[in-house]
Amino acid sequence: EPEVTQTPSHQVTQMGQEVILRCVPISNHLYFYWYRQILGQKVEFLVSFYNNEISEKSEIFDDQFSVERPDGSNFTLKIRSTKLEDSAMYFCASSEIRNSPLHFGNGTRLTVT
Amino acid sequence: AQKVTQAQTEISVVEKEDVTLDCVYETRDTTYYLFWYKQPPSGELVFLIRRNSFDEQNEISGRYSWNFQKSTSSFNFTITASQVVDSAVYFCALSDTGANSKLTFGKGITLSVRP
Repeated sequence: EPEVTQTPSHQVTQMGQEVILRCVPISNHLYFYWYRQILGQKVEFLVSFYNNEISEKSEIFDDQFSVERPDGSNFTLKIRSTKLEDSAMYFCASSEIRNSPLHFGNGTRLTVT
Repeated sequence: AQKVTQAQTEISVVEKEDVTLDCVYETRDTTYYLFWYKQPPSGELVFLIRRNSFDEQNEISGRYSWNFQKSTSSFNFTITASQVVDSAVYFCALSDTGANSKLTFGKGITLSVRP
């Protein structure tokens, strides 16, 4: 069964550094998402992406965050200058059409020291 | 604004017991979708079920069953004859029918099934 793949599985970075989290969504899916889960807390929506542009973003998704779909397969989340509070598990998800179930990747655990 | 409440935070049962995970939601939309996801200790999010607001029929899939009651805005999940492999965090989620269908998650319920 096709799946969403995320790399790396774990990233450690120093405060103030830039990180790029990578995702390969399922190939025929049209909607892409990033979610975040701070350890032990609920999963929170960050941003949705459709038709090569951001369609919605949450309050968490401030100017330090950006997303890109540089080619036909990858979907990236960049954090420009990481803060300690960015430490979390970041999940990429994709769906085939609107309201179809989101398929999540295994997540990237980001640790900011 | 949409909201999902999972009032239970942790549940511990002995194997073979039945367990029900509660989910209550709030939305102003007349059309919406409800989901359950499982997050095992390995951390991934696994889709279990989707329900649309017009379909109140209960669903059974093996040992899993779901009870959707629009009158009480609840979408409860029952595991029958629980097994150790059911140990995980279970999230209930709600999506609107807007352009992006983003999910609003509850805080999750940690289920521990003891042998």
